[in-house]
Amino acid sequence: ETGVTQTPRHLVMGMTNKKSLKCEQHLGHNAMYWYKQSAKKPLELMFVYSLEERVENNSVPSRFSPECPNSSHLFLHLHTLQPEDSALYLCASSQTSGGAYNEQFFGPGTRLTVL
Amino acid sequence: AQKVTQAQTEISVVEKEDVTLDCVYETRDTTYYLFWYKQPPSGELVFLIRRNSFDEQNEISGRYSWNFQKSTSSFNFTITASQVVDSAVYFCALSEGSSNTGKLIFGQGTTLQVKP
Repeated sequence: ETGVTQTPRHLVMGMTNKKSLKCEQHLGHNAMYWYKQSAKKPLELMFVYSLEERVENNSVPSRFSPECPNSSHLFLHLHTLQPEDSALYLCASSQTSGGAYNEQFFGPGTRLTVL
Repeated sequence: AQKVTQAQTEISVVEKEDVTLDCVYETRDTTYYLFWYKQPPSGELVFLIRRNSFDEQNEISGRYSWNFQKSTSSFNFTITASQVVDSAVYFCALSEGSSNTGKLIFGQGTTLQVKP
């Protein structure tokens, strides 16, 4: 595996379900990100982890719960979601050294549909 | 406040035409970085270019070129002799030097359709 991978690629869940999205990066990076991409909206940053520590939480509802057990893996735990949470969830990684300079590498995303 | 605006929501051209995608940004930082990403139908964003605020030189890479003008806060992207494979959503993004998290602020994206 190379780059940034995400599983599953598609997920359909009911509002009472609990599910998790997984992201794995094989680039040796130490920062990871979750973005939400809804139809007709710009990409919204949800969470940032740097060196496995959450450094940014962009006012995301508590029904989204991130977890970063190590620098290569990032999870997004989902529970009691709403239909408006249906979107493409993108994971990205970058090097923290150099901060704003470093480009982020993105995974293919998980297409989430909440019924 | 930081902001990126891509005024063109959708553009449709015929193959071999040149096309320019506009990007206007706002920031109070003097050090910042501008990016362009391409999102093909497969979904993942592909990094195309990065410019820093101190380097206004235009850049050309094959059929792609970028025009960075601080005076107008613009970072426009031109595809010369467009091809069907260029069809995608293109995002312009800003990262401020004051951010220690590398946070990217994205524009709304421009959907480019290149017809054969």
